[in-house]
Amino acid sequence: NAGVTQTPKFQVLKTGQSMTLQCAQDMNHEYMSWYRQDPGMGLRLIHYSVGAGITDQGEVPNGYNVSRSTTEDFPLRLLSAAPSQTSVYFCASSSSGAFEKLFFGSGTQLSVL
Amino acid sequence: SQQGEEDPQALSIQEGENATMNCSYKTSINNLQWYRQNSGRGLVHLILIRSNEREKHSGRLRVTLDTSKKSSSLLITASRAADTASYFCVSGSTLGRLYFGRGTQLTVWP
Repeated sequence: NAGVTQTPKFQVLKTGQSMTLQCAQDMNHEYMSWYRQDPGMGLRLIHYSVGAGITDQGEVPNGYNVSRSTTEDFPLRLLSAAPSQTSVYFCASSSSGAFEKLFFGSGTQLSVL
Repeated sequence: SQQGEEDPQALSIQEGENATMNCSYKTSINNLQWYRQNSGRGLVHLILIRSNEREKHSGRLRVTLDTSKKSSSLLITASRAADTASYFCVSGSTLGRLYFGRGTQLTVWP
């Protein structure tokens, strides 16, 4: 049972490049979400999904897109990377919605030069 | 922002001692959770306490919740070097949002 799998673990981009952070879970969780973690700050919600075909914005959605075509996968797309998007990104899922036990991936460390 | 805040920001203790971390939040909640994050890893759920509960135990962990003061505490008894990590409180507001604190960095020296 792999839980929540994120790829890649590390990524360096140049300003203006686009990329997709992958997230997959094998626990059949309906709720999935993306967070970013910046030094000295708590995690901030980027986007979330309560089921396949349903997504919504979180606290800091600008510059990011998501889609949820299957229960298992929830990719995060950076449309045109900016240095302000340098951060550690975490994907999380839950069987009980946003307010119960979240299972986190191991994170993607992204640097935008 | 209605984030919760942990106190202290950093805590350094010897193995065998107890570690107490506090959390304050600003809005009405349905529940409050504590997570642990080891360096370079994702967060791991430790314990959840609901708004109608005052105290909860799980192994060496004890969590209290005082909704009148909008505060919670996490006590780790008989700390071990393996407990070294960052600890986050996460408040689940009644308005439908999760708020993460900035974390307490706990260092347990052998």
